[in-house]
Amino acid sequence: GAGVSQSPSNKVTEKGKDVELRCDPISGHTALYWYRQSLGQGLEFLIYFQGNSAPDKSGLPSDRFSAERTGGSVSTLTIQRTQQEDSAVYLCASTLGTSNTEAFFGQGTRLTVV
Amino acid sequence: AQSVTQLGSHVSVSEGALVLLRCNYSSSVPPYLFWYVQYPNQGLQLLLKYTTGATLVKGINGFEAEFKKSETSFHLTKPSAHMSDAAEYFCAVSVGATNKLIFGTGTLLAVQP
Repeated sequence: GAGVSQSPSNKVTEKGKDVELRCDPISGHTALYWYRQSLGQGLEFLIYFQGNSAPDKSGLPSDRFSAERTGGSVSTLTIQRTQQEDSAVYLCASTLGTSNTEAFFGQGTRLTVV
Repeated sequence: AQSVTQLGSHVSVSEGALVLLRCNYSSSVPPYLFWYVQYPNQGLQLLLKYTTGATLVKGINGFEAEFKKSETSFHLTKPSAHMSDAAEYFCAVSVGATNKLIFGTGTLLAVQP
């Protein structure tokens, strides 16, 4: 597609429910990143994919968070048993994969846990 | 470890005035530095980046930044602010082979008429 697409744009969920956030990167971009933007923590790196593998998961805050990527394209970030502190904007970005090239960001998914 | 510090969480300027947003970095290796802008309810858009070469980098919308190794700084400037520049600005450093970004805490720029 023309840009990085994320869905849904907004998600309200009840505490304890599982949620899935989707990211469609720019076609041909081999590298994909998830970031979280929250009032208390700013912009934080969560996980990095190169192709379908995730060599850097160091930013995932707990084992309730997981992500996968299939076909070298779409990625899904899953949060199990959501907590109120998971409320944030989840941003996805993709790059061509070569070092230090521009990261293109999606518009994010705003997650609210009530 | 690499890190970025942005001084001033809120900056207010008058329309037509100079914009100066400060960013200092810490890096054990030559850094790759970026400025991103975020408009309300939108994702991040790259303004400019420094990788190697010329230390004065020009970006979109009339913004530029100068990499100063001796001062470990990468401040963002624009000679004359427009109302449309009101947004949040993030400085970031690229880390390691993964190219993941470590962001500063952001500076919210307000432009007064």
